[in-house]
Amino acid sequence: EAEVAQSPRYKITEKSQAVAFWCDPISGHATLYWYRQILGQGPELLVQFQDESVVDDSQLPKDRFSAERLKGVDSTLKIQPAELGDSAMYLCASSPDIGVGYTFGSGTRLTVV
Amino acid sequence: EDKVVQSPLSLVVHEGDTVTLNCSYEVTNFRSLLWYKQEKKAPTFLFMLTSSGIEKKSGRLSSILDKKELFSILNITATQTGDSAIYLCAVSNTGKLIFGQGTTLQVKP
Repeated sequence: EAEVAQSPRYKITEKSQAVAFWCDPISGHATLYWYRQILGQGPELLVQFQDESVVDDSQLPKDRFSAERLKGVDSTLKIQPAELGDSAMYLCASSPDIGVGYTFGSGTRLTVV
Repeated sequence: EDKVVQSPLSLVVHEGDTVTLNCSYEVTNFRSLLWYKQEKKAPTFLFMLTSSGIEKKSGRLSSILDKKELFSILNITATQTGDSAIYLCAVSNTGKLIFGQGTTLQVKP
């Protein structure tokens, strides 16, 4: 069964350091999403790509977060500098097209110390 | 502002009990409502609902949507300890998912 691949699974970093997460969506899925899930809350959309273009990044803290999907396939989410409040699960999801057939990856659990 | 609200936030039951989880929403451009189960990792898909009044079932789980009153329920009958998880409700609009805060279910032996 096709999966959304994410790495690393776990990351511990010191505050003010840079950290990056990688996501490889299911082959052929045009739409890719990054969500952040703080402990005890539901996931919140950070950024949505359609192919290589950003569709929605209204909730992305652009002073420290950046995301790219240069070739419209895999994607990287970066935080620089990391803050204590960034500790969360970062989930990547993909779908064949906007609004249908979401599949989530296993997530990256980030701890900022 | 679009929002999805789940209740209760947490629930403790014993094996064999039946539980009902609630999800209400206020979302523009509604497309569908989805239920997910999350056990310490990524959410796994349970149901997608698009039409009012049509129950979806999978084993002991069932769900229904009321688009007039803007809510959905997820029922779990004859609960088992393996049902212990966070249950997330999400509404899809113009492509993104808007999640509720989740209901944490604990099923005791």
